[in-house]
Amino acid sequence: GAVVSQHPSRVICKSGTSVKIECRSLDFQATTMFWYRQFPKQSLMLMATSNEGSKATYEQGVEKDKFLINHASLTLSTLTVTSAHPEDSSFYICSGSGGSYNEQFFGPGTRLTVL
Amino acid sequence: AQSVTQLGSHVSVSEGALVLLRCNYSSSVPPYLFWYVQYPNQGLQLLLKYTSAATLVKGINDFEAEFKKSETSFHLTKPSAHMSDAAEYFCAVSDQAGTALIFGKGTTLSVSS
Repeated sequence: GAVVSQHPSRVICKSGTSVKIECRSLDFQATTMFWYRQFPKQSLMLMATSNEGSKATYEQGVEKDKFLINHASLTLSTLTVTSAHPEDSSFYICSGSGGSYNEQFFGPGTRLTVL
Repeated sequence: AQSVTQLGSHVSVSEGALVLLRCNYSSSVPPYLFWYVQYPNQGLQLLLKYTSAATLVKGINDFEAEFKKSETSFHLTKPSAHMSDAAEYFCAVSDQAGTALIFGKGTTLSVSS
């Protein structure tokens, strides 16, 4: 299958700062990328869907001004958590689909801890 | 709207025993169904998927699942558990290939020697 990478794998930041997480499709063109959030011992919840070159579509309850998503190329999407607070601490996982693939490929996740 | 229910948040088996993880889905359209495994602090690995072809789907590491429309189920099985199978397992559904997934709450599989 195809490979999706995320960077960084772990990040610790102070409350009020912004954090950017990168999601890259390494060997396929991801026309659509998804961002999920997973709290400890819980399932993955879809935050937003982004199509290359278009604005992201956010799920109900997800603040688009707080979680900025950019999908400027077919291989890169970024999630920026603005003015992070401790309650934003979570495991953020991206996935991509596109090209000849009819499934999503998941990145390894980014553990965000906000102090 | 689609949804997934995983019965049993925690399943414990002995090494060598049968593994059965249950998943029931709700969908107004023919579903695409998936099973993923997640090890601690890692992303998701696809075990297998159902995309309207054969109802018995074989995946990696001897896992398989059977799509039963009449029961709206997609239970995951493995004939003989290994210690390395201990992980979190998620069932997921989507209405089209490559679209957003709706995940179940997950089942933690423990394997004892």
